[in-house]
Amino acid sequence: NAGVTQTPKFQVLKTGQSMTLQCAQDMNHNSMYWYRQDPGMGLRLIYYSASEGTTDKGEVPNGYNVSRLNKREFSLRLESAAPSQTSVYFCASTVEGGLDTIYFGEGSWLTVV
Amino acid sequence: GQQVMQIPQYQHVQEGEDFTTYCNSSTTLSNIQWYKQRPGGHPVFLIQLVKSGEVKKQKRLTFQFGEAKKNSSLHITATQTTDVGTYFCASRKGRALTFGSGTRLQVQP
Repeated sequence: NAGVTQTPKFQVLKTGQSMTLQCAQDMNHNSMYWYRQDPGMGLRLIYYSASEGTTDKGEVPNGYNVSRLNKREFSLRLESAAPSQTSVYFCASTVEGGLDTIYFGEGSWLTVV
Repeated sequence: GQQVMQIPQYQHVQEGEDFTTYCNSSTTLSNIQWYKQRPGGHPVFLIQLVKSGEVKKQKRLTFQFGEAKKNSSLHITATQTTDVGTYFCASRKGRALTFGSGTRLQVQP
């Protein structure tokens, strides 16, 4: 049972480049999330999807877009990367939003130069 | 901003000493969850508290939810080097889960 799988694990981008972070879960969870983690800032919610076909903005959505492709997959896209988006990105999922255990992927380390 | 404030930001203890981290909110929380993140790792769920005044224990870890459901604490008795990491509280905000800023624990052997 793989749980939550994220790719890529590491990526270096130049300012202005675009890229997509992929996430898939095999636990049949309804809700999926993208968080970013910066030193001393904890985890901040970028976007979430409460169910297939729906997406909602979190605390820090600017500069990002998401797609809930199907129940399993939730991707995060940076259209024009900026140095301020250098961070560790975590995908996560739960059965239902908020009240149940949230399972995290291993993280994606992104550096924008 | 974040729904819960977590203190302290950092704590360095000698192995065998106790450790406590606190989460405080200005509003009533429906529940609170605690997570541990090892250095270089991802957050891992520890426990969820739902009831007012609830206390739960996991071996050396004791979790409490305040009577007013506005604060919570995690206490580790007799820390070990395996306790090193960052401890986060998290609470529901709308349909999503928001996290405190975390307390980083260092344990000196």
